[in-house]
Amino acid sequence: AQSVTQLDSQVPVFEEAPVELRCNYSSSVSVYLFWYVQYPNQGLQLLLKYLSGSTLVKGINGFEAEFNKSQTSFHLRKPSVHISDTAEYFCAVSTANFGNEKLTFGTGTRLTIIP
Amino acid sequence: NAGVMQNPRHLVRRRGQEARLRCSPMKGHSHVYWYRQLPEEGLKFMVYLQKENIIDESGMPKERFSAEFPKEGPSILRIQQVVRGDSAAYFCASSGVEGYEQYFGPGTRLTVT
Repeated sequence: AQSVTQLDSQVPVFEEAPVELRCNYSSSVSVYLFWYVQYPNQGLQLLLKYLSGSTLVKGINGFEAEFNKSQTSFHLRKPSVHISDTAEYFCAVSTANFGNEKLTFGTGTRLTIIP
Repeated sequence: NAGVMQNPRHLVRRRGQEARLRCSPMKGHSHVYWYRQLPEEGLKFMVYLQKENIIDESGMPKERFSAEFPKEGPSILRIQQVVRGDSAAYFCASSGVEGYEQYFGPGTRLTVT
């Protein structure tokens, strides 16, 4: 079984400042890793994913994440945030096995951008 | 270019009634996943279906909940005799054969009064 930990439930950041949202996972098998964003009263939108290859992954809206296998982490970063980045961010994992890619989610981090 | 569609977007039921939630996957997708999001929590996996088959229902409550994905038509999540604790947002996601990239619908927000 897999688990995902997002230690920070809320992160306030000033506009144009950098931000890092932390994600750690636990799994006994190889995993795929994802970050999703959820705007109020909407569904989830995929920001980026790590399947294999380069450990630095770039996604939409200027976000990037780095897969660190030794630390079992997949932290999300953005060098300069904008008001429109205010949302809930979820880290998720699935097993890297073809046949059942159900996602296990963290509890989410609420990012609030301060003007 | 339709994405994943869910209806209704909002559903109000009184305790003891039945709730039916519908999900139409993206065009060309044959895999459907249902997740539940309780207030202030992350999403929890409920069930994974392919056409006419339930692949994994390990996240479904043992009673009152059922899901189907018929050969024709949308996937249905059915909750019988709803209770207040069923109030949540229910999200459907679909994927292609590869499976690893899931696209989410806007969700159905169920309120049980």
